[in-house]
Amino acid sequence: AQSVTQLDSHVSVSEGTPVLLRCNYSSSYSPSLFWYVQHPNKGLQLLLKYTSAATLVKGINGFEAEFKKSETSFHLTKPSAHMSDAAEYFCVVSDHFNKFYFGSGTKLNVKP
Amino acid sequence: DAGVIQSPRHEVTEMGQEVTLRCKPISGHNSLFWYRQTMMRGLELLIYFNNNVPIDDSGMPEDRFSAKMPNASFSTLKIQPSEPRDSAVYFCASSLTGGSYEQYFGPGTRLTVT
Repeated sequence: AQSVTQLDSHVSVSEGTPVLLRCNYSSSYSPSLFWYVQHPNKGLQLLLKYTSAATLVKGINGFEAEFKKSETSFHLTKPSAHMSDAAEYFCVVSDHFNKFYFGSGTKLNVKP
Repeated sequence: DAGVIQSPRHEVTEMGQEVTLRCKPISGHNSLFWYRQTMMRGLELLIYFNNNVPIDDSGMPEDRFSAKMPNASFSTLKIQPSEPRDSAVYFCASSLTGGSYEQYFGPGTRLTVT
């Protein structure tokens, strides 16, 4: 069975400091993993995806995530937060039929 | 590409009325998904289609909800009769078939039932 746990419902950082959003997954087989971002009153936008290639995945807007099989984790990071990064972030695992299993979301607040 | 197109963007209706939400997937995509998002329940998958055929409708809340995909470029989600608890943002997403493909989301339809 597929499932995702996002360990923090809210994260607050200061502008210019690093961002870490944590995600643990459960999968019956080699997973495909995604991070999506949702800005207020907008749809979901893909940040990056992991599909069994390189374990360190680079995405848009300076975000990256590292797949760690031994820890069943797929944490999202960014070296320096920008005000425009304030949004909700969803970690997702998919099954063979491309059915998505969403985490509960992490709201990122960026303080000036 | 125009992306996934949803209409209307906003819908306000009275309890008991029929509501139809529309979605045009990205050309060439053969999987289509309908989601509902609320503060209380987060993102919920309602139904998904593969090659226009409903594959999994276990997320459809009750018989008041129905979805169709008459061709590869159009899908509808209908609520009849609508109730205040149906108020939510409804998203449509499309993708190629296979576990490694990302889904592309539309901008959503914000439904308010009074």
